[in-house]
Amino acid sequence: AQSVAQPEDQVNVAEGNPLTVKCTYSVSGNPYLFWYVQYPNRGLQFLLKYITGDNLVKGSYGFEAEFNKSQTSFHLKKPSALVSDSALYFCAVRDMGDNYGQNFVFGPGTRLSVLP
Amino acid sequence: GAGVSQSPSNKVTEKGKDVELRCDPISGHTALYWYRQSLGQGLEFLIYFQGNSAPDKSGLPSDRFSAERTGGSVSTLTIQRTQQEDSAVYLCASSLAGTGNPDTQYFGPGTRLTVL
Repeated sequence: AQSVAQPEDQVNVAEGNPLTVKCTYSVSGNPYLFWYVQYPNRGLQFLLKYITGDNLVKGSYGFEAEFNKSQTSFHLKKPSALVSDSALYFCAVRDMGDNYGQNFVFGPGTRLSVLP
Repeated sequence: GAGVSQSPSNKVTEKGKDVELRCDPISGHTALYWYRQSLGQGLEFLIYFQGNSAPDKSGLPSDRFSAERTGGSVSTLTIQRTQQEDSAVYLCASSLAGTGNPDTQYFGPGTRLTVL
């Protein structure tokens, strides 16, 4: 069964500094990987996904993530953080070979706080 | 086009009462998911519908929970004899396909359920 770990419950960064939100995963086959963001009192919004091809994926709001197969990681990054980036971030994975909904697994979430 | 909508946005009920939560997916999306999110926590998978296939109910926490999807579109999640531990935000998501494709899920704003 697949799993996702987000080792940091909370990440604090100063506005204008680069940010990284970490994600590692475990699947038996090849992964589809996703990042979602949840602003307060809102549903989840899709940021970006990795399917195949270029390991560096660019997404919404200036975010990008790098797929690293050897380290089974898919860390989310942004060169310059904004206060408005403060939110809850979820990493998710699905094994390419799986067809069922339960196998779309979300991590526990990382709360990002960008300080002015 | 319209996104995923959910109703009601907030529901307060007394312990032991039944509640119905509604989800309207994006038109044309064949896959529909229900998740539960406790305060500040990650997403707990509940149930998955894909087209006319039998739903994947493996995430439903007890037989008090049920869901149906009529005409391949609107879905209703029913919780019978609600308990205080059912208090959470219930999120619905839809996607274009769930079989063999990198399905990006689009989430509704959620229904916040409070059981007194």
